[in-house]
Amino acid sequence: EPEVTQTPSHQVTQMGQEVILRCVPISNHLYFYWYRQILGQKVEFLVSFYNNEISEKSEIFDDQFSVERPDGSNFTLKIRSTKLEDSAMYFCASSERGRPSPLHFGNGTRLTVT
Amino acid sequence: AQSVTQLGSHVSVSEGALVLLRCNYSSSVPPYLFWYVQYPNQGLQLLLKYTSAATLVKGINGFEAEFKKSETSFHLTKPSAHMSDAAEYFCAVSEEAAGNKLTFGGGTRVLVKP
Repeated sequence: EPEVTQTPSHQVTQMGQEVILRCVPISNHLYFYWYRQILGQKVEFLVSFYNNEISEKSEIFDDQFSVERPDGSNFTLKIRSTKLEDSAMYFCASSERGRPSPLHFGNGTRLTVT
Repeated sequence: AQSVTQLGSHVSVSEGALVLLRCNYSSSVPPYLFWYVQYPNQGLQLLLKYTSAATLVKGINGFEAEFKKSETSFHLTKPSAHMSDAAEYFCAVSEEAAGNKLTFGGGTRVLVKP
């Protein structure tokens, strides 16, 4: 069964550094998402992306964050200047179409900011 | 605004016993509801979904959930627990005004005792 793949599985970075988290969504999917889960907290929506633009973003997704689909297969999340509180598990997801198509999630990237 | 409450962050069941995980939602419009499971070091996998068809929904691995509008609930059950059911389970809701954005509950970690 096709799956969403995320790299790296674990990223350690120093505060203030830029990080790029990478995702390869399922090939025929059109909608892409990033979620994050801070340790011990709920899974939170960050951003959704469709037709090469952001369709919705949460209040967490401030100017430090950006997303890009640089080619036909990758979907990236960039954090420009990481803070300690950005430490979390970041999940990429994709769906074939909009609501109510279910989201398919990757295994996540654990980001640790020191 | 939509929200999800999962009662009990941890549930312990004996192998062969009933598994019951509770989920209550808040939504201003008819919701779409989902249960996801997360096994250790893996992403979120869709167990089942309710999208306004039958109120009793069957999913993978013998799980099912019943949508009860009057109780705003979507509890997950499995008649007989198996050791492989040990995982964390997340209930999630989406509503039309939120596009395909999911709002997750806090998760319930299931421990299965032999």
